[in-house]
Amino acid sequence: DAKTTQPPSMDCAEGRAANLPCNHSTISGNEYVYWYRQIHSQGPQYIIHGLKNNETNEMASLIITEDRKSSTLILPHATLRDTAVYYCIVRVATNQGGKLIFGQGTELSVKP
Amino acid sequence: DAGVIQSPRHEVTEMGQEVTLRCKPISGHDYLFWYRQTMMRGLELLIYFNNNVPIDDSGMPEDRFSAKMPNASFSTLKIQPSEPRDSAVYFCASSYGTSGEQFFGPGTRLTVL
Repeated sequence: DAKTTQPPSMDCAEGRAANLPCNHSTISGNEYVYWYRQIHSQGPQYIIHGLKNNETNEMASLIITEDRKSSTLILPHATLRDTAVYYCIVRVATNQGGKLIFGQGTELSVKP
Repeated sequence: DAGVIQSPRHEVTEMGQEVTLRCKPISGHDYLFWYRQTMMRGLELLIYFNNNVPIDDSGMPEDRFSAKMPNASFSTLKIQPSEPRDSAVYFCASSYGTSGEQFFGPGTRLTVL
C-alpha cells in the first residue's frame, strides 16, 4: 500500500471549516483513500473513503486531486468534539480483507 | 447492535502473569482484527481473522502472543508470560467483507508491572 504524509498537528476555530491535507504521491490506480479519526481514549472511527471522485457524507467531505496524489478531508463546521487524531490511509480495495496500516496522523485541535 | 465489545476495559497485572483479552465482534461481520497502540509505535495491526481463520499474524510481536477465534462471535488475545513492554491499549475491530470500514471496540488498557 502507498505511503501517506500528513502534518503532525493543526488548529481550527470552532464553527470554521477544518481542512486536513494528506499526500499520497505514490498511490496506485486501484488504491482507495480512507480517513479515520481517533478521539482521545476511544477506538478509531471510520469517516469516509474514495477512489477518484469527491465524496461527501454526514460527517465530512473528501476532495481528491485529479492526479490522485493528494487529498483533503473537510469538516465543514468544526466543533470541540471534532478534536481528535485524523488518519489518512491508502489501501487496495480488495487487499487482504480490509487490512489497514495506520500512520501517525494529524492531531486536530478545535479551539473555542 | 451494541458494537464491538471488549473485556476487560482495564487490566493491571504483574510481569510473568498470563493475560487474556476478549472481543465480541459485531454480529454478521466476517473479519476480526487485533491492534495494539502505544505512544512510541502508534497503532499496529497484530493479527486478523476471516471467518474465524487467522489470515495474517505477521504483526504478532513474538511467541508470547497468541490469538484464537473459536467461533464467529468471540476472539481472545493471550499474552503468556506478560512483560512490562506489553503495556499498551489493545483494540479489537470487525468488518464485513473487504470494505475497509472497520468498527473498533473501546479497547483494553493493559498495564504490566
